[in-house]
Amino acid sequence: AQSVSQHNHHVILSEAASLELGCNYSYGGTVNLFWYVQYPGQHLQLLLKYFSGDPLVKGIKGFEAEFIKSKFSFNLRKPSVQWSDTAEYFCAVNKDSSYKLIFGSGTRLLVRP
Amino acid sequence: DAMVIQNPRYQVTQFGKPVTLSCSQTLNHNVMYWYQQKSSQAPKLLFHYYDKDFNNEADTPDNFQSRRPNTSFCFLDIRSPGLGDAAMYLCATSRDLGIREQYFGPGTRLTVT
Repeated sequence: AQSVSQHNHHVILSEAASLELGCNYSYGGTVNLFWYVQYPGQHLQLLLKYFSGDPLVKGIKGFEAEFIKSKFSFNLRKPSVQWSDTAEYFCAVNKDSSYKLIFGSGTRLLVRP
Repeated sequence: DAMVIQNPRYQVTQFGKPVTLSCSQTLNHNVMYWYQQKSSQAPKLLFHYYDKDFNNEADTPDNFQSRRPNTSFCFLDIRSPGLGDAAMYLCATSRDLGIREQYFGPGTRLTVT
């Protein structure tokens, strides 16, 4: 079945550590890719998105993601996390010309001060 | 600030007692979506409205209905909630179907007793 996989369900890091969250999808063809973040008690917010062009995408708050088409991956990275990055992170995929966003099951990140 | 608002944030209902969740938006977007998110799972699209056109996902139970009386408001009606319907319900909007970025409300957490 077509799906979006986030392999790490829970990640715990200390402040200043580097972060990489994995996202893989199983759709063929053209896709649009997103990372959303949900801070405690808040709504889902868009971190960054990839539609086309440079596969290295810069988002808000120092986050970036790299689209590797051959690996069907769109991993999220941040060189140095802060306590305020504690949140749940969702990868989502949209097949071109479709209205549907397919979400991964999320990764809960806890950053210890 | 333009936003997506959901009321109430927490809703408790009894098994079998109809319940309505509310979503409003100040973004003047054409499309409004309802997602169901169960604990530790990905948000799952239930249906969406494009303007006044209602589009149900194939696997959405008949127990779930929706109304969109105007551009700003959209309601989710659960006719006879079961224990399995306890979840977070997310409303989202997008400017158009071809615009894939979606803006989310804070969600309503539904408890069924």
